[in-house]
Amino acid sequence: QITLKESGPTLVKPTQTLTLTCTFSGFSLSTSGVSVGWIRQPPGKALEWLALIYWDDDKRYSPSLKSRLTITKDTSKNQVVLTMTNMDPVDTATYYCAHRRPFLGWFDPWGQGTLVTVSS
Amino acid sequence: AIQLTQSPSSLSASVGDRVTVTCRASQGISSALAWYQQKPGKAPELLIYDASSLESGVPSRFSGSGSGTDFTLTISSLQPEDFATYYCQQFNSDAVTFGQGTKLEIK
Repeated sequence: QITLKESGPTLVKPTQTLTLTCTFSGFSLSTSGVSVGWIRQPPGKALEWLALIYWDDDKRYSPSLKSRLTITKDTSKNQVVLTMTNMDPVDTATYYCAHRRPFLGWFDPWGQGTLVTVSS
Repeated sequence: AIQLTQSPSSLSASVGDRVTVTCRASQGISSALAWYQQKPGKAPELLIYDASSLESGVPSRFSGSGSGTDFTLTISSLQPEDFATYYCQQFNSDAVTFGQGTKLEIK
């Protein structure tokens, strides 16, 4: 059974850097074709894809947020870390990490999500 | 980036109704589309992948169709547990995108 869980601060101040960790079980990020993504959802709004990291350490970022995002993995710890710089109140959202099956493009399953509020 | 436009944005329907949600891509994406269901306070759950393949465990009243730029999600007979928000997602390109969602409400 694959599970993922997001962790990190619930409150950050404007201009700070957000660091979120996705801890997973039931699969290995060293398995060929596997990837993990980050997706966020502002309150009452739509889903927005942020970043992907692949088993071979290839990375993809949302074009609109690329300059602010970094995604990394620690295969030995079964973790994926997302950092987002220069946080703004508009970045207030629930942040999800999600698994993608080998060489496939849809997300399943997702973590429960973690709400991050940006406020001074 | 490929844009996905869902219609309608919201929909009121009754238990037993047949409903259809549309997702249109700004350029052709073959069959690289998935549909998710999201209930309040919960993470999205996969319903359909590759435009028309039903995820294991998802009731057969859900179906998907389409290819290229136009896709549909159909619920053949609405059940009370189907009232939720539905999202499409394309994975034709490395820059993944989601539709803006369709909220299905009880009439």
